[in-house]
Amino acid sequence: NAGVTQTPKFQVLKTGQSMTLQCAQDMNHEYMSWYRQDPGMGLRLIHYSVGAGITDQGEVPNGYNVSRSTTEDFPLRLLSAAPSQTSVYFCASGWDRAQPQHFGDGTRLSIL
Amino acid sequence: AQKVTQAQTEISVVEKEDVTLDCVYETRDTTYYLFWYKQPPSGELVFLIRRNSFDEQNEISGRYSWNFQKSTSSFNFTITASQVVDSAVYFCALSDINAGNMLTFGGGTRLMVKP
Repeated sequence: NAGVTQTPKFQVLKTGQSMTLQCAQDMNHEYMSWYRQDPGMGLRLIHYSVGAGITDQGEVPNGYNVSRSTTEDFPLRLLSAAPSQTSVYFCASGWDRAQPQHFGDGTRLSIL
Repeated sequence: AQKVTQAQTEISVVEKEDVTLDCVYETRDTTYYLFWYKQPPSGELVFLIRRNSFDEQNEISGRYSWNFQKSTSSFNFTITASQVVDSAVYFCALSDINAGNMLTFGGGTRLMVKP
């Protein structure tokens, strides 16, 4: 049982490059979400989805896109990377709001 | 708007001391859920406990205990007889409808337990 799998674990980009952070879960969870973790600020919600075909913005959505074509996958796209997007990104999934979210191991992203 | 405040950014204790991590939250929702997560130095997030807004019973799990008080909007976490392995960043989080039922995190408390 893999749980929530994030790839890659580390990535270095140049300003202006684009990339997709992958997130997959094998628990058939409806809820999936992306957070970024910056020092002293905890985790902040970027985008989330409550089911396939449904996405919505969180607290810090600018510069990121998401889609949810299947229950299992929830990729996060950076269209034009900026140094301010240097962070650790976590994907999470869960059954619903009352249940604990399961987190992936994170992707450490550096943008030069 | 919903908000979670962990006023203690860093706490340092000596092994075997008891330590309490504070968490204060704000929400307009009448039904909400509170969580604690642990982030050890390896970086993953580990779920510790969940509480719903209708259950104010305190909970104990081994050396861990949680005190939920709606009157003060607090959900504090106590580690009894701390151990070096407890060294981590601890996050308090709130799930309510104002954030699409996703989690709003506090800034975290870094706990250092020295031998």
